[in-house]
Amino acid sequence: DTEVTQTPKHLVMGMTNKKSLKCEQHMGHRAMYWYKQKAKKPPELMFVYSYEKLSINESVPSRFSPECPNSSLLNLHLHALQPEDSALYLCASSQGPQGSRSGNTIYFGEGSWLTVV
Amino acid sequence: QKEVEQDPGPLSVPEGAIVSLNCTYSNSAFQYFMWYRQYSRKGPELLMYTYSSGNKEDGRFTAQVDKSSKYISLFIRDSQPSDSATYLCAMSAPPWGGSNYKLTFGKGTLLTVNP
Repeated sequence: DTEVTQTPKHLVMGMTNKKSLKCEQHMGHRAMYWYKQKAKKPPELMFVYSYEKLSINESVPSRFSPECPNSSLLNLHLHALQPEDSALYLCASSQGPQGSRSGNTIYFGEGSWLTVV
Repeated sequence: QKEVEQDPGPLSVPEGAIVSLNCTYSNSAFQYFMWYRQYSRKGPELLMYTYSSGNKEDGRFTAQVDKSSKYISLFIRDSQPSDSATYLCAMSAPPWGGSNYKLTFGKGTLLTVNP
C-alpha cells in the first residue's frame, strides 16, 4: 500500500464550486508534488513544494491553488474549474534535494478522481 | 524528437511469458531511471529504481539501463494476469532539487497477460 494518502478518492463539483484535495505522507519526505493525469496519458507535473516552500509552478491556471501547511500535508484548492479540468489528480512525495540517491525516487498516492460538471 | 520514447502498445502475452518493455531517451543528462506500474484508475506504483547504468533485479522484475545507447528496459519473468497494467518509464537528471525536480515520463505501455 502507498504511504501517500489522498482524500477524497472521488469528487464531483460544479464550475462555481470551491473544493479542496488533501494529501498526507508520513515518510519524512521534504518534497511534495501535485500531478494531473488525463486518460491514457502520463502524469503532468503541476506544483512542487520543497521544505514547505513552492519550488515549481508549471504555469498552472490560478483556479488551482496549492498549499503546504506543514511538511506532511499538501492541499490543492479548486475554484471555478472547467470541465476540461476533469482528471486524476495525483499527490506524490520524495525525500528531497539533500537526500541520498534514493531521494530522487517519487512515490505517488492513489489519486483523487475529479469530475467537473 | 521527444525526450523519452515509449511504445504505447498494447502488448498482449500469455501467462508465463517473458515480457520486455523499453524506453529510449535523448537527454544524455538523465541519470535516474524508474519504472512505475499503474493499474486502471489507480496511482502509479514504483517498481524499480536505477541510478546510472547497470542492471537491477527484484523478484520477477529486472531493470536494465544502457546509457551508451540511451535505452532502458524492464523485463518481467513468468508474467501473471495480475501484471496486467500500464507500465511507465520515468527519468530525471541531476542536480536533484531546486528547479530540477522534474520527472520525464514515457507515454506508458499497456500490458495484458492472458490466463
